[in-house]
Amino acid sequence: QKEVEQDPGPLSVPEGAIVSLNCTYSNSAFQYFMWYRQYSRKGPELLMYTYSSGNKEDGRFTAQVDKSSKYISLFIRDSQPSDSATYLCAMTTPNTDKLIFGTGTRLQVFP
Amino acid sequence: GAVVSQHPSRVICKSGTSVKIECRSLDFQATTMFWYRQFPKQSLMLMATSNEGSKATYEQGVEKDKFLINHASLTLSTLTVTSAHPEDSSFYICSARDTRGPQHFGDGTRLSIL
Repeated sequence: QKEVEQDPGPLSVPEGAIVSLNCTYSNSAFQYFMWYRQYSRKGPELLMYTYSSGNKEDGRFTAQVDKSSKYISLFIRDSQPSDSATYLCAMTTPNTDKLIFGTGTRLQVFP
Repeated sequence: GAVVSQHPSRVICKSGTSVKIECRSLDFQATTMFWYRQFPKQSLMLMATSNEGSKATYEQGVEKDKFLINHASLTLSTLTVTSAHPEDSSFYICSARDTRGPQHFGDGTRLSIL
Protein backbone atom coordinates (compact mmCIF):
# COMPACT_ATOMS: atom_id res chain seq x y z
CA GLN A 1 0.00 0.00 0.00
CA LYS A 2 1.34 3.43 -0.96
CA GLU A 3 1.71 6.00 1.79
CA VAL A 4 -0.40 8.48 -0.18
CA GLU A 5 -3.16 7.49 -2.59
CA GLN A 6 -4.56 9.88 -5.18
CA ASP A 7 -6.92 9.16 -8.06
CA PRO A 8 -4.96 9.88 -11.25
CA GLY A 9 -8.02 10.91 -13.27
CA PRO A 10 -8.30 12.40 -15.78
CA LEU A 11 -11.18 14.40 -14.39
CA SER A 12 -13.11 16.35 -17.01
CA VAL A 13 -15.63 19.02 -15.93
CA PRO A 14 -17.47 21.93 -17.56
CA GLU A 15 -16.50 25.50 -16.81
CA GLY A 16 -18.16 26.76 -13.62
CA ALA A 17 -18.33 23.33 -11.96
CA ILE A 18 -17.16 22.63 -8.43
CA VAL A 19 -14.20 20.26 -8.46
CA SER A 20 -13.28 17.95 -5.61
CA LEU A 21 -9.79 16.44 -5.50
CA ASN A 22 -8.87 13.96 -2.81
CA CYS A 23 -5.98 12.11 -1.22
CA THR A 24 -5.87 9.47 1.47
CA TYR A 25 -2.82 8.56 3.51
CA SER A 26 -1.77 5.82 5.87
CA ASN A 27 0.91 7.45 8.05
CA SER A 28 -0.64 9.16 11.09
CA ALA A 29 2.65 11.06 11.62
CA PHE A 30 1.91 13.34 8.66
CA GLN A 31 1.18 16.79 10.07
CA TYR A 32 1.73 19.21 7.16
CA PHE A 33 -0.35 19.04 4.01
CA MET A 34 0.06 20.81 0.71
CA TRP A 35 -1.67 21.05 -2.63
CA TYR A 36 0.35 21.95 -5.70
CA ARG A 37 -0.81 22.72 -9.24
CA GLN A 38 1.47 21.73 -12.10
CA TYR A 39 0.97 22.89 -15.66
CA SER A 40 2.55 20.91 -18.46
CA ARG A 41 6.33 21.43 -18.67
CA LYS A 42 6.37 23.65 -15.57
CA GLY A 43 7.29 23.17 -11.92
CA PRO A 44 4.63 22.66 -9.23
CA GLU A 45 3.03 25.82 -7.85
CA LEU A 46 1.97 25.89 -4.21
CA LEU A 47 -1.78 26.43 -3.85
CA MET A 48 -2.52 25.57 -0.23
CA TYR A 49 -0.54 24.71 2.90
CA THR A 50 -2.28 23.49 6.04
CA TYR A 51 -1.26 21.80 9.26
CA SER A 52 -4.45 21.38 11.22
CA SER A 53 -7.72 19.59 10.71
CA GLY A 54 -10.50 21.68 9.26
CA ASN A 55 -10.95 23.98 6.30
CA LYS A 56 -8.72 26.68 4.84
CA GLU A 57 -10.00 28.97 2.12
CA ASP A 58 -8.10 31.07 -0.41
CA GLY A 59 -10.18 32.62 -3.15
CA ARG A 60 -11.82 29.86 -5.19
CA PHE A 61 -9.80 27.17 -3.41
CA THR A 62 -10.66 25.40 -0.16
CA ALA A 63 -8.39 22.82 1.44
CA GLN A 64 -9.90 20.38 3.89
CA VAL A 65 -8.00 18.11 6.26
CA ASP A 66 -9.51 15.28 8.29
CA LYS A 67 -6.73 13.74 10.33
CA SER A 68 -9.03 11.24 12.04
CA SER A 69 -9.93 9.75 8.66
CA LYS A 70 -6.49 10.42 7.11
CA TYR A 71 -8.13 12.22 4.24
CA ILE A 72 -7.47 15.57 2.57
CA SER A 73 -9.39 17.39 -0.13
CA LEU A 74 -9.06 20.39 -2.38
CA PHE A 75 -12.22 22.06 -3.65
CA ILE A 76 -12.19 24.43 -6.61
CA ARG A 77 -15.25 26.62 -7.03
CA ASP A 78 -16.32 28.18 -10.32
CA SER A 79 -13.69 26.19 -12.20
CA GLN A 80 -12.07 27.85 -15.21
CA PRO A 81 -10.31 26.42 -18.29
CA SER A 82 -7.12 27.92 -16.84
CA ASP A 83 -7.47 25.50 -13.92
CA SER A 84 -6.71 22.63 -16.32
CA ALA A 85 -3.53 21.11 -14.88
CA THR A 86 -2.27 18.25 -12.74
CA TYR A 87 -2.94 18.65 -9.02
CA LEU A 88 -0.54 17.04 -6.58
CA CYS A 89 -1.16 16.49 -2.91
CA ALA A 90 1.92 16.32 -0.70
CA MET A 91 2.53 15.80 2.97
CA THR A 92 5.31 15.53 5.49
CA THR A 93 6.05 14.90 9.14
CA PRO A 94 7.49 17.46 11.59
CA ASN A 95 10.93 15.84 11.79
CA THR A 96 11.76 15.46 8.11
CA ASP A 97 12.10 17.69 5.07
CA LYS A 98 11.01 15.00 2.66
CA LEU A 99 7.67 15.46 0.90
CA ILE A 100 5.56 12.45 0.09
CA PHE A 101 3.55 13.12 -3.04
CA GLY A 102 0.39 11.63 -4.42
CA THR A 103 0.53 10.51 -8.03
CA GLY A 104 -1.35 13.63 -9.15
CA THR A 105 -4.83 14.11 -10.64
CA ARG A 106 -5.16 15.48 -14.15
CA LEU A 107 -8.00 17.99 -14.37
CA GLN A 108 -9.53 19.28 -17.57
CA VAL A 109 -12.04 22.12 -17.48
CA PHE A 110 -13.78 22.60 -20.80
CA PRO A 111 -15.54 25.81 -21.89
CA GLY B 1 6.66 36.07 -2.37
CA ALA B 2 8.58 32.77 -2.23
CA VAL B 3 9.90 32.80 -5.78
CA VAL B 4 12.36 30.15 -6.95
CA SER B 5 14.15 30.72 -10.23
CA GLN B 6 15.67 27.84 -12.17
CA HIS B 7 17.98 28.23 -15.14
CA PRO B 8 18.23 27.16 -17.90
CA SER B 9 14.73 26.04 -18.75
CA ARG B 10 15.87 23.91 -21.68
CA VAL B 11 19.16 22.23 -22.56
CA ILE B 12 20.01 20.12 -25.59
CA CYS B 13 23.53 18.77 -25.75
CA LYS B 14 25.68 15.92 -26.98
CA SER B 15 26.41 12.76 -25.05
CA GLY B 16 29.43 13.13 -22.78
CA THR B 17 28.81 16.78 -22.00
CA SER B 18 28.47 18.04 -18.43
CA VAL B 19 25.47 20.27 -17.76
CA LYS B 20 25.00 22.68 -14.87
CA ILE B 21 21.55 23.76 -13.65
CA GLU B 22 21.11 26.68 -11.24
CA CYS B 23 18.39 27.14 -8.65
CA ARG B 24 17.96 30.45 -6.86
CA SER B 25 15.58 31.61 -4.16
CA LEU B 26 14.85 35.22 -5.07
CA ASP B 27 13.07 36.62 -2.03
CA PHE B 28 13.87 34.33 0.88
CA GLN B 29 16.81 32.50 2.39
CA ALA B 30 16.69 28.83 1.49
CA THR B 31 18.24 26.82 4.30
CA THR B 32 17.34 23.65 2.43
CA MET B 33 17.10 22.98 -1.29
CA PHE B 34 15.92 19.87 -3.06
CA TRP B 35 16.48 18.37 -6.49
CA TYR B 36 13.85 16.23 -8.19
CA ARG B 37 13.55 14.34 -11.41
CA GLN B 38 10.23 13.85 -13.16
CA PHE B 39 9.43 11.41 -15.95
CA PRO B 40 6.44 12.01 -18.26
CA LYS B 41 3.07 11.58 -16.54
CA GLN B 42 4.72 10.60 -13.28
CA SER B 43 5.10 12.33 -9.95
CA LEU B 44 8.32 13.91 -8.72
CA MET B 45 11.19 11.69 -7.61
CA LEU B 46 13.47 13.19 -4.98
CA MET B 47 17.13 12.91 -5.94
CA ALA B 48 18.87 14.77 -3.13
CA THR B 49 18.50 17.25 -0.29
CA SER B 50 21.09 19.92 0.39
CA ASN B 51 21.61 22.29 3.28
CA GLU B 52 23.68 25.42 2.86
CA GLY B 53 27.35 24.74 3.46
CA SER B 54 26.89 20.99 3.87
CA LYS B 55 27.24 17.99 1.61
CA ALA B 56 24.06 16.89 -0.09
CA THR B 57 22.16 13.84 1.07
CA TYR B 58 21.35 11.61 -1.88
CA GLU B 59 18.40 9.25 -2.16
CA GLN B 60 19.03 5.57 -2.62
CA GLY B 61 19.96 4.71 -6.19
CA VAL B 62 21.10 8.23 -7.14
CA GLU B 63 24.76 8.37 -8.13
CA LYS B 64 26.46 11.18 -6.26
CA ASP B 65 29.39 11.24 -8.69
CA LYS B 66 26.99 11.58 -11.59
CA PHE B 67 24.80 14.29 -10.08
CA LEU B 68 26.99 16.83 -8.30
CA ILE B 69 25.14 19.21 -6.00
CA ASN B 70 26.56 22.40 -4.53
CA HIS B 71 24.68 24.63 -2.09
CA ALA B 72 27.22 27.36 -1.51
CA SER B 73 24.90 30.10 -0.29
CA LEU B 74 21.46 30.58 1.20
CA THR B 75 20.07 31.56 -2.19
CA LEU B 76 21.84 29.31 -4.70
CA SER B 77 22.15 25.60 -5.34
CA THR B 78 23.53 23.97 -8.48
CA LEU B 79 23.10 20.52 -9.97
CA THR B 80 25.75 19.34 -12.41
CA VAL B 81 25.00 16.29 -14.51
CA THR B 82 28.45 14.97 -15.36
CA SER B 83 29.21 13.15 -18.60
CA ALA B 84 25.52 13.09 -19.48
CA HIS B 85 24.11 10.25 -21.57
CA PRO B 86 20.72 9.85 -23.29
CA GLU B 87 19.30 8.00 -20.28
CA ASP B 88 19.88 11.17 -18.22
CA SER B 89 17.37 13.02 -20.40
CA SER B 90 14.56 14.13 -18.12
CA PHE B 91 12.80 17.05 -16.46
CA TYR B 92 14.80 18.27 -13.45
CA ILE B 93 13.10 20.47 -10.86
CA CYS B 94 14.51 22.20 -7.82
CA SER B 95 12.70 23.42 -4.74
CA ALA B 96 13.63 25.49 -1.72
CA ARG B 97 12.33 26.20 1.72
CA ASP B 98 13.36 28.37 4.63
CA THR B 99 13.49 27.07 8.20
CA ARG B 100 9.70 26.93 8.40
CA GLY B 101 7.04 26.43 5.76
CA PRO B 102 6.49 24.47 2.58
CA GLN B 103 8.75 23.83 -0.39
CA HIS B 104 8.54 26.23 -3.31
CA PHE B 105 9.47 24.92 -6.73
CA GLY B 106 11.31 26.30 -9.71
CA ASP B 107 9.93 25.94 -13.23
CA GLY B 108 12.15 23.01 -14.11
CA THR B 109 14.85 22.27 -16.67
CA ARG B 110 14.14 20.02 -19.62
CA LEU B 111 17.37 18.18 -20.41
CA SER B 112 17.79 16.33 -23.69
CA ILE B 113 20.99 14.42 -24.39
CA LEU B 114 21.55 13.46 -28.02
